[in-house]
Amino acid sequence: DSGVTQTPKHLITATGQRVTLRCSPRSGDLSVYWYQQSLDQGLQFLIQYYNGEERAKGNILERFSAQQFPDLHSELNLSSLELGDSALYFCASSLEGQGYEAFFGQGTRLTVV
Amino acid sequence: SQQGEEDPQALSIQEGENATMNCSYKTSINNLQWYRQNSGRGLVHLILIRSNEREKHSGRLRVTLDTSKKSSSLLITASRAADTASYFCATDANSGNTPLVFGKGTRLSVIA
Repeated sequence: DSGVTQTPKHLITATGQRVTLRCSPRSGDLSVYWYQQSLDQGLQFLIQYYNGEERAKGNILERFSAQQFPDLHSELNLSSLELGDSALYFCASSLEGQGYEAFFGQGTRLTVV
Repeated sequence: SQQGEEDPQALSIQEGENATMNCSYKTSINNLQWYRQNSGRGLVHLILIRSNEREKHSGRLRVTLDTSKKSSSLLITASRAADTASYFCATDANSGNTPLVFGKGTRLSVIA
């Protein structure tokens, strides 16, 4: 158990819909990362938060947004969903920003039909 | 875009053999990490090597880092069927607030 909790584990939704993925980081970790993993692809970095503020942004679509709350949990919002958004979405947390190992949640498997 | 790139993409070996995976990256880094992922599950951290280190060991794992060639290797000795997984390298670049960026991974199959 990494200590990082992601909910829900599985999500099936229709195109055009909006979903929210939730992540509770490991106790004490200030940094939260979101990654997308499609079939046969590596992990695509989406966005990083540190202590409530956005720290780095990857190739995150405009339809996607995220935030980190004062209690350090984070949410990833995906809207106007398309078939191609079907993927595993991982949250990871680390003590600080750089130079520390990241602890991954078990992921949310999103299927858009 | 990926910073690190693992090679080979897939590797199949017999139990008891050694497995070597390589990672190349493009920009200067602070450190390089290796992670393991069992099918469809979250990644698990294996080892971190800092840019001023050349080699690091952890159990059956040996990691080397050559910053002049911008490359790293992960050696798993005396492999077991349970080592079957995908292995990823991840780097954080030595510039600004850069996130942990992963390669596409090497899929290792250890045959009993």
